[in-house]
Amino acid sequence: EVHLVESGGGFAQPGGSLRLSCAASGFPFGNYWMHWVRRAPGKGLVWVSDVSQDGSRTSSADSVKGRFTMSRDNAKNTVYLQMDSLRVEDTAVYFCVRDGPDIYDYWGQGTLVTVSS
Amino acid sequence: DVVMTQSPLSLPVSLGQPASISCRSSQSLEHSGGDTYLSWFHQRPGQSPRRLIYKVSNRDSGVPDRFSGSGSGTDFTLKISRVEAEDLGFFYCMQGTHWPRTFGQGTKVEIK
Repeated sequence: EVHLVESGGGFAQPGGSLRLSCAASGFPFGNYWMHWVRRAPGKGLVWVSDVSQDGSRTSSADSVKGRFTMSRDNAKNTVYLQMDSLRVEDTAVYFCVRDGPDIYDYWGQGTLVTVSS
Repeated sequence: DVVMTQSPLSLPVSLGQPASISCRSSQSLEHSGGDTYLSWFHQRPGQSPRRLIYKVSNRDSGVPDRFSGSGSGTDFTLKISRVEAEDLGFFYCMQGTHWPRTFGQGTKVEIK
């Protein structure tokens, strides 16, 4: 059974940093692109970043480009989201998502990031 | 980016009654390979999103057959034949044909 378990969320001040992790199990991790999607309070779902199967390619939404970096460690079946220069508007629940052939088939339970002074 | 527009944004429904949500994209979602990557997700309060429908009309495993998806090109619809209490929450359409993935604003389904 596929499992995605996020961790690393919490409280940060504006300008601070957090590192999210997503531990995957139940499938051949290295065969899949992985994504981060977030949902801010009172808002809808928004794609944040993605990483290719071998980690050589990444991309990010314009709103986080230059501040967030996604990476993966296939030996540990884990993806990461390094979040620097955090802003109040980055406050959201962050979901780790598997990007299968038919798109976004499995989601983690989410981890809450709160940015506030 | 492809803009996904859902309507309505709020949908009060009575239990046992049908419901329908529309989703329109700013560009055709037909991929060059022939598939159309339009999915529907349901998010209950306090839970993560769950995919209900992929490639316009394919129900995911375990999804009740009261949910159905249809459409093509830029116009898509999610229908619920008989709304049940467990259907409350937000429904989102999402396109996976063009980069980056983009979602509709979400439709809040409330029980009357």
